[in-house]
Amino acid sequence: QVQLQESGPGLVKPSETLSLTCTVSGGSFSSYYWSWIRQPPGKGLEWIAYIHYTGSTNYNPSLKSRVTISVDTSKNQFSLKLNSVIAADTAVYYCARRIGPSDVFDIWGQGTMVTVSS
Amino acid sequence: QSVLTQPPSVSAAPGQKVTISCSGSSSNIENNYVSWYQQLPGTAPKLLIYDNNKRPSGIPDRFSGSKSGTSATLGITGLQTGDEADYYCGTWDSSLSAGPVFGGGTKLTVL
Repeated sequence: QVQLQESGPGLVKPSETLSLTCTVSGGSFSSYYWSWIRQPPGKGLEWIAYIHYTGSTNYNPSLKSRVTISVDTSKNQFSLKLNSVIAADTAVYYCARRIGPSDVFDIWGQGTMVTVSS
Repeated sequence: QSVLTQPPSVSAAPGQKVTISCSGSSSNIENNYVSWYQQLPGTAPKLLIYDNNKRPSGIPDRFSGSKSGTSATLGITGLQTGDEADYYCGTWDSSLSAGPVFGGGTKLTVL
């Protein structure tokens, strides 16, 4: 079955760029939207962005000025870059598969904890 | 402050039934499908209900979903200790901040 795995540094300094990659295995990469969602410690879920395998994107307006999502179909991967990070960006970052019409996140990665600290 | 409003916590005894509400508006719940996610301690969220009331393969029929107007409800019958988790509702919001939105989450305690 389809599996998603996040990878990237667990510690990022304030004002620097957070970079994460999600690798999709065990199924089709095409025909789906791929998303990033985060969860600050002890808090709820916040959608960050999603990208279609064709490259079409949609961003959370509250983060749009600092976020870039990209896709590499040759590697079945998609990536997140969050610029100018602050302590409030500390969270578990999840990648997830989104099914468009119903806006459902049906498969999730295990999540990766990213701490913003000097 | 989440776009969708959920009670912070609910509790019930094993074997009992519990409902979790999710309140929104005409820009989200009323005109879009609602999904529900279960997050067991220390794990990633898992899809529980989609399209308001459909269950993915493998989800027992103890879990049900419904929607009416600007609110949605998750129901769980025959509560088990393994159901202790955080539950989140989600949908699309078509306001200025167009995109997926989630509720603040509800902690279910099985007493």
